Amino acid sequence: RKEVEQDPGPFNVPEGATVAFNCTYSNSASQSFFWYRQDCRKEPKLLMSVYSSGNEDGRFTAQLNRASQYISLLIRDSKLSDSATYLCVVNIGRTGNQFYFGTGTSLTVIP
Amino acid sequence: DAMVIQNPRYQVTQFGKPVTLSCSQTLNHNVMYWYQQKSSQAPKLLFHYYDKDFNNEADTPDNFQSRRPNTSFCFLDIRSPGLGDAAMYLCATSRSGASTDTQYFGPGTRLTVL
Repeated sequence: RKEVEQDPGPFNVPEGATVAFNCTYSNSASQSFFWYRQDCRKEPKLLMSVYSSGNEDGRFTAQLNRASQYISLLIRDSKLSDSATYLCVVNIGRTGNQFYFGTGTSLTVIP
Repeated sequence: DAMVIQNPRYQVTQFGKPVTLSCSQTLNHNVMYWYQQKSSQAPKLLFHYYDKDFNNEADTPDNFQSRRPNTSFCFLDIRSPGLGDAAMYLCATSRSGASTDTQYFGPGTRLTVL
């Protein structure tokens, strides 16, 4: 079983739509959680960290469910510029390879 | 201001010709990582340095080597690039290896092997 799993999509949504991505992780000892955004042929950029209480940054809301071992990202009022791949990343908090990546979910926002 | 810098951004090499990719950071982070990312795949960790301690992933081919001469710089050496090594190579840093760490990525070097 992979450490981190995401639905690869693609998600094609109209401008203004609300879209949600989920990500599951297998290691219950995972310590911290992140959503990264990666544009085509560019590096991953941190979108937001995910906290136990849930957190919001403008149109983006991230949630963590430790009991079910998943995190989610909700994007409201989608913009064309939101088109990208969204990577779920988990820090399992040990020395060595501590960051595990999902394969990413592709989002295309259509005019 | 750039925090993780990679040079060159694009590198073309010939099959079997050694190539070195460079990464530098201004964050003074203890940990530096090298990832290989192929199209539509997640970044794959090749190795990382915790300070001067080198940590190789078990499935990283011997063809890939790394050097970290000081805190700021880290190099990826590909001794004999094959066609299958064409990819984006991402350098990343994190502060201390702690469970609350966040990673910061450089812009990547896209390697083409002819």
